[in-house]
Amino acid sequence: ETGVTQTPRHLVMGMTNKKSLKCEQHLGHNAMYWYKQSAKKPLELMFVYSLEERVENNSVPSRFSPECPNSSHLFLHLHTLQPEDSALYLCASSDRDSYPNTEAFFGQGTRLTVV
Amino acid sequence: GQNIDQPTEMTATEGAIVQINCTYQTSGFNGLFWYQQHAGEAPTFLSYNVLDGLEEKGRFSSFLSRSKGYSYLLLKELQMKDSASYLCAVGDSNYQLIWGAGTKLIIKP
Repeated sequence: ETGVTQTPRHLVMGMTNKKSLKCEQHLGHNAMYWYKQSAKKPLELMFVYSLEERVENNSVPSRFSPECPNSSHLFLHLHTLQPEDSALYLCASSDRDSYPNTEAFFGQGTRLTVV
Repeated sequence: GQNIDQPTEMTATEGAIVQINCTYQTSGFNGLFWYQQHAGEAPTFLSYNVLDGLEEKGRFSSFLSRSKGYSYLLLKELQMKDSASYLCAVGDSNYQLIWGAGTKLIIKP
């Protein structure tokens, strides 16, 4: 199994739909992250979970709702999205006990298109 | 504010050497990372620098000058598979990664 797995790889949804992105890590890490990657823009950190508690929110719109049921799984629930939310959504994990080298391991991302 | 700057795109020839620069202004500094991202794939870790100087790892080397807020990634003996985006990221005082927009490297035969 790969280190960080995301499903689905591709998702097309209407603005009134509700969908969820899933991320699973098999690395024994204690922190997980959701990032948004838009073309030619820096990676935008959306949410951070450390030891299953959310530690960062970064003013993300409420139409994005994260869930971290345990240290290996992370979800991003989506509802009433806008076309500008179309992007690559990346999940990552790291070991926060290895400060300051908080190397992040990324999943392959979900390419989201909102129509 | 916090800012990471790197060139948007660079072109180099197979077998040559290329240097990708990154300058940063962040609140605190807890190391600088370089990641490689092929189109449609996950970013993968290349290097980490927290002290000044050059770190060499095979064909790739990374340099850091904390006083200048500057780093570069040096790629030698370029291969076609090195065509990718290269992302610079800095750990700030809260140990969060601040990311640059990435440099798209195009390798020509």
